[in-house]
Amino acid sequence: GDSVTQMEGPVTLSEEAFLTINCTYTATGYPSLFWYVQYPGEGLQLLLKATKADDKGSNKGFEATYRKETTSFHLEKGSVQVSDSAVYFCAQGGNTDKLIFGTGTRLQVFP
Amino acid sequence: DAGVIQSPRHEVTEMGQEVTLRCKPISGHNSLFWYRQTMMRGLELLIYFNNNVPIDDSGMPEDRFSAKMPNASFSTLKIQPSEPRDSAVYFCASTYRGRGAEAFFGQGTRLTVV
Repeated sequence: GDSVTQMEGPVTLSEEAFLTINCTYTATGYPSLFWYVQYPGEGLQLLLKATKADDKGSNKGFEATYRKETTSFHLEKGSVQVSDSAVYFCAQGGNTDKLIFGTGTRLQVFP
Repeated sequence: DAGVIQSPRHEVTEMGQEVTLRCKPISGHNSLFWYRQTMMRGLELLIYFNNNVPIDDSGMPEDRFSAKMPNASFSTLKIQPSEPRDSAVYFCASTYRGRGAEAFFGQGTRLTVV
């Protein structure tokens, strides 16, 4: 069935380091792909998305490119900040509304 | 808009009791989701509704769980009887159906069954 696999955390970085969180998916058809972020004590909120192959989603310095050939949607940021510490979820959505999430990756950024 | 509103924010109950979680989606949205989040299993989709009709409830763990959406502005998730393994954070999310549509999440209900 459809699924999302993302790297396990926690990912621990120093401020201003480069971030990559890997995400791959399996799907029938061509889903939309999303990254959501969850700050402590809050619900998930959309960080960025891409709806077709080769699209790049970007927001707040984060980027991810929809790679159909590798079924991937890796999240990157060139220089992380302490305020980026959160749990990041990769997700896919098909032609229905059903959103399938990965298990989440906790990011910890230290000054 | 106030966003997706869930109540209560925290619930502590004894094993065997009935628990009802409530959700008010964003006005105008026509799809609603219930998720459960635990450390062990991550974020699991329990059920989702489209235009108030349950579309997929394959994630509902067992008959003790039931969900209703009597109208476009209200949904409930009920657990009867509750068990300690039901302890988790339960999220409600809503969206307007369409490719690439963003789902908006509530702040969740933290349920503890003792």
